[in-house]
Amino acid sequence: DQQVKQNSPSLSVQEGRISILNCDYTNSMFDYFLWYKKYPAEGPTFLISISSIKDKNEDGRFTVFLNKSAKHLSLHIVPSQPGDSAVYFCAASYTGTASKLTFGTGTRLQVTL
Amino acid sequence: EADIYQTPRYLVIGTGKKITLECSQTMGHDKMYWYQQDPGMELHLIHYSYGVNSTEKGDLSSESTVSRIRTEHFPLTLESARPSHTSQYLCASSDSTGRSTDTQYFGPGTRLTVL
Repeated sequence: DQQVKQNSPSLSVQEGRISILNCDYTNSMFDYFLWYKKYPAEGPTFLISISSIKDKNEDGRFTVFLNKSAKHLSLHIVPSQPGDSAVYFCAASYTGTASKLTFGTGTRLQVTL
Repeated sequence: EADIYQTPRYLVIGTGKKITLECSQTMGHDKMYWYQQDPGMELHLIHYSYGVNSTEKGDLSSESTVSRIRTEHFPLTLESARPSHTSQYLCASSDSTGRSTDTQYFGPGTRLTVL
């Protein structure tokens, strides 16, 4: 049972435009969400996180939005740069799970010139 | 940002061999994790540790074993490698302060191929 879903396996965006990556979850107990970025043959790199007590968190070009009622979160990258081309993973956890993360299958972002 | 290292980065080995994948972190993190990832798939937790002498199996069943004798070191061992073990293995760690315990920092991974 896939508790964290990233339904778009790939996304192509022009340099300078906004990239929006989406993630849905089914477990209402999740209360902490993270986004990771992964280049081929490397480990995931932590990007940004959000607690369920917030609906938005911003860090530079990256903003994560959380809609708890819809069980949906999104990552916005503005402006998109060629170096942002990578696979982006959404992950979630909840209090009491000893920091165990549940990951989505990832979305491959391609930023074109 | 955590400094976490994995060796080897790539390993090609024959069936039946015993292998150990190394993972070390220099940040003093209490919690460490091993994930397995196949191409195009999500990361699956196979082992985790809360601290020295503490190890637990993860959500995905694995024939591998782990040990945690030192805080900084969390090796994974396969006693007899099989082609089904071919995958990328990712090690991660997290600290124990507040909610940031859920932010895990990953090593570069080991790409294992069993022939």
